[in-house]
Amino acid sequence: DAGVTQSPTHLIKTRGQQVTLRCSPKSGHDTVSWYQQALGQGPQFIFQYYEEEERQRGNFPDRFSGHQFPNYSSELNVNALLLGDSALYLCASSPDGDEQFFGPGTRLTVL
Amino acid sequence: GENVEQHPSTLSVQEGDSAVIKCTYSDSASNYFPWYKQELGKGPQLIIDIRSNVGEKKDQRIAVTLNKTAKHFSLHITETQPEDSAVYFCAAKTNAGKSTFGDGTTLTVKP
Repeated sequence: DAGVTQSPTHLIKTRGQQVTLRCSPKSGHDTVSWYQQALGQGPQFIFQYYEEEERQRGNFPDRFSGHQFPNYSSELNVNALLLGDSALYLCASSPDGDEQFFGPGTRLTVL
Repeated sequence: GENVEQHPSTLSVQEGDSAVIKCTYSDSASNYFPWYKQELGKGPQLIIDIRSNVGEKKDQRIAVTLNKTAKHFSLHITETQPEDSAVYFCAAKTNAGKSTFGDGTTLTVKP
C-alpha cells in the first residue's frame, strides 16, 4: 500500500506567480490536510478537506486555496507568491480525522 | 486559538540514556495529542499518540503521559539509540479538526 504521495518534490517560482501542489492520500483515507513548514519550525495548519469540502482553515490568507477530488486526492493553490511563502508544504491524510499520515512534502522556493 | 509550547528545543543524550520532551497546550477542548518524528528530508511520522481519556500510553521504548488538569503532556524515550536522532514534534488537536504543532525538539543521541 503506497503512502501519501506529493508532487512535485521541489519547485522554484518567482514573486507574483501562482503554484499548484498535488497530494494523493493513503488508500482508504478520506480526509486531507495541508501544512506549511518554515525552516526550523513546526508545521502550520493551512486547511483540511473532507468529502470535497473545506472543513477547517488556519490563519492563512485567501491567496491559499485548495480542492479535493472525488478520489480524495487534493490540490493546494497559492496565488501572488511572496518571498515568505518559501517553505516545505506537507500534505497529511487521515482515516478518522485524528491520526495523520504525512507525505514527504514539496519544497517551494520563491525568488 | 490553541497555543502549544515545546521544550527543550535541543536535547543531547548519550546512547542508552533516556530522553524526555515536554509540551503544554492552552485549549482545554483539545482531546488528541500525537507525537511525530521528522528525519531530514522527510515528512513527520506519527510515533505515538494519546487521547484525553487516557493518562499514559506505552509502545516499546516510547511512552507518552498526559496531565489534563495542568494541560501538559510528555514524550519519554528509554534506552536511546543513534537512530532515534531526529526532530520531534508534539501537537494538540480539537474535535473541530485543526492541529497545532510545537516548534520541535532536535534530539541527538551520541554513540
